[in-house]
Amino acid sequence: GQNIDQPTEMTATEGAIVQINCTYQTSGFNGLFWYQQHAGEAPTFLSYNVLDGLEEKGRFSSFLSRSKGYSYLLLKELQMKDSASYLCAVRANAGNMLTFGGGTRLMVKP
Amino acid sequence: NAGVMQNPRHLVRRRGQEARLRCSPMKGHSHVYWYRQLPEEGLKFMVYLQKENIIDESGMPKERFSAEFPKEGPSILRIQQVVRGDSAAYFCADGRAQKNEQYFGPGTRLTVT
Repeated sequence: GQNIDQPTEMTATEGAIVQINCTYQTSGFNGLFWYQQHAGEAPTFLSYNVLDGLEEKGRFSSFLSRSKGYSYLLLKELQMKDSASYLCAVRANAGNMLTFGGGTRLMVKP
Repeated sequence: NAGVMQNPRHLVRRRGQEARLRCSPMKGHSHVYWYRQLPEEGLKFMVYLQKENIIDESGMPKERFSAEFPKEGPSILRIQQVVRGDSAAYFCADGRAQKNEQYFGPGTRLTVT
């Protein structure tokens, strides 16, 4: 079975740094994805990790520890437009479909 | 969203009617994944198709739902005799096993009245 957990909601201040955690228990592992989804819109691809370590892409970084079944998304220099849901998803070995967590709703306040 | 197209963007159906949702992946891509997102919930995988072939339909409800991806034309997700619980956003994604990315279309928001 597949189980992916992430906090339901988080609040942070404009200009600050926020870390969104994701833990997973899956029958296979072939990569972990992070997506951003604004209300009423489609998910937008942010990052992909398959090996342990940190992947940095501008203001966003994503970390993976396969032995711990753990990932986080780090957002730096928060902007108001970063207010959105952040979705953690795991790709198991079979096929290429993704299993999603429930998403973390991030609210950025001035 | 990197060229994945879905239509219609919004669809209203009365209970008992049929809903047809279409998805066209990026040109040259032959794999599509359908996901459903119920209000205030995460995305749930429904079905994975290649051209003329269903690869994995483990997430499809057993009744009323079907999907196809013909040799020519878009992929179609068909819901027969819709009920209020079918109201959701239905997203199509495009990706290939060897690529480390999966791009989503804009989605179809189905409302059943």
